[in-house]
Amino acid sequence: GAVVSQHPSRVICKSGTSVKIECRSLDFQATTMFWYRQFPKKSLMLMATSNEGSKATYEQGVEKDKFLINHASLTLSTLTVTSAHPEDSSFYICSAEPGRSTDTQYFGPGTRLTVL
Amino acid sequence: GNSVTQMEGPVTLSEEAFLTINCTYTATGYPSLFWYVQYPGEGLQLLLKATKADDKGSNKGFEATYRKETTSFHLEKGSVQVSDSAVYFCALSARGGSEKLVFGKGTKLTVNP
Repeated sequence: GAVVSQHPSRVICKSGTSVKIECRSLDFQATTMFWYRQFPKKSLMLMATSNEGSKATYEQGVEKDKFLINHASLTLSTLTVTSAHPEDSSFYICSAEPGRSTDTQYFGPGTRLTVL
Repeated sequence: GNSVTQMEGPVTLSEEAFLTINCTYTATGYPSLFWYVQYPGEGLQLLLKATKADDKGSNKGFEATYRKETTSFHLEKGSVQVSDSAVYFCALSARGGSEKLVFGKGTKLTVNP
């Protein structure tokens, strides 16, 4: 149980285009989902917290107009990187928290974004 | 603010060696503590957790004890296997539910046959 999927697993795009990454909780409902960015040899950096049916809460320094987050249902959250640039190339990971759990997050496998 | 410090890697061990990965934390209140593992090419998986002082989390032969007096949550395994090769992350979350996780920088472990 508690499986989280991400799609796509890997994407290459041209600079200036937008890319959408999906995060799904497959066997539970997630009232809260989180989006992280992981740099090589560094820890995960929380970008934003997404609550179903409401606006995402972004961490300091994360541009909300560049990283659009939508949490339209209890099993799906999307991250759209708008007007991507090479510096946006990274590993993006989502996690989901079951509504009844107090502090356990289940992570997706991640999406490798490369912007040319 | 809350923070996690874990030992720098990489760590290289021979099979059946004893493993310790140190983790200390700074937090207000009484956080929950976690170890996550990331195998090559995969996402993070919860390895074990502890929610209050003196609790011991354990899974797959790994153990960690929540030590409030030393603000530590060191990960140990008595006999590592090649399949344990991965990156290990220590993390904490504040109490209250839906609190964000704060991660350490990760420690890469390589176990050689």
